[in-house]
Amino acid sequence: GAGVSQTPSNKVTEKGKYVELRCDPISGHTALYWYRQSLGQGPEFLIYFQGTGAADDSGLPNDRFFAVRPEGSVSTLKIQRTERGDSAVYLCASSLSGTETNTEAFFGQGTRLTVV
Amino acid sequence: QKEVEQDPGPLSVPEGAIVSLNCTYSNSAFQYFMWYRQYSRKGPELLMYTYSSGNKEDGRFTAQVDKSSKYISLFIRDSQPSDSATYLCAMSVSNFGNEKLTFGTGTRLTIIP
Repeated sequence: GAGVSQTPSNKVTEKGKYVELRCDPISGHTALYWYRQSLGQGPEFLIYFQGTGAADDSGLPNDRFFAVRPEGSVSTLKIQRTERGDSAVYLCASSLSGTETNTEAFFGQGTRLTVV
Repeated sequence: QKEVEQDPGPLSVPEGAIVSLNCTYSNSAFQYFMWYRQYSRKGPELLMYTYSSGNKEDGRFTAQVDKSSKYISLFIRDSQPSDSATYLCAMSVSNFGNEKLTFGTGTRLTIIP
């Protein structure tokens, strides 16, 4: 597709359940990022992939959060034992990787996760 | 203290006014500075990008960076109702497409027709 695609757009789950959020990056983009945006806040970094590997996962809040990108394209963010505090918009972004020019990160529309 | 501070607003101005949006930061390692615009229920989209102190102009938008004061600004001239959105400043240490962005909280802007 033309842009970063995230599914589902909305997800309501019960406290304690497991959820998976999917991100389809722009074709050819090797870098992929996950951010979390709580109400009234700016996006907060969670994890960054370069190809298939997680180059920086320092933003993952705890071990309930995990993300994969097995083939270097689609990524899945997985949240175990969800808590009400996990409610937020989860944003995915992708970019080219380069060494000389600005490589803009393009964002998807996000998945709005509500834990009830 | 957050690494990036931004007044959340909300800010309301009449159409045609000049808008000034600002962020301060504490991490002197930040070298690249961006402004994103985010409409309701959409993802952020890049408006301006700069990496040096001084001004950068693009149409009605001017980005200003003062590294010595750790202060960045975005000016919008001849503001339009379509400019109504949340404006996020973002910063990074490197620009090589392999660097996380640190965002401000965003300023919600409304342009009144």
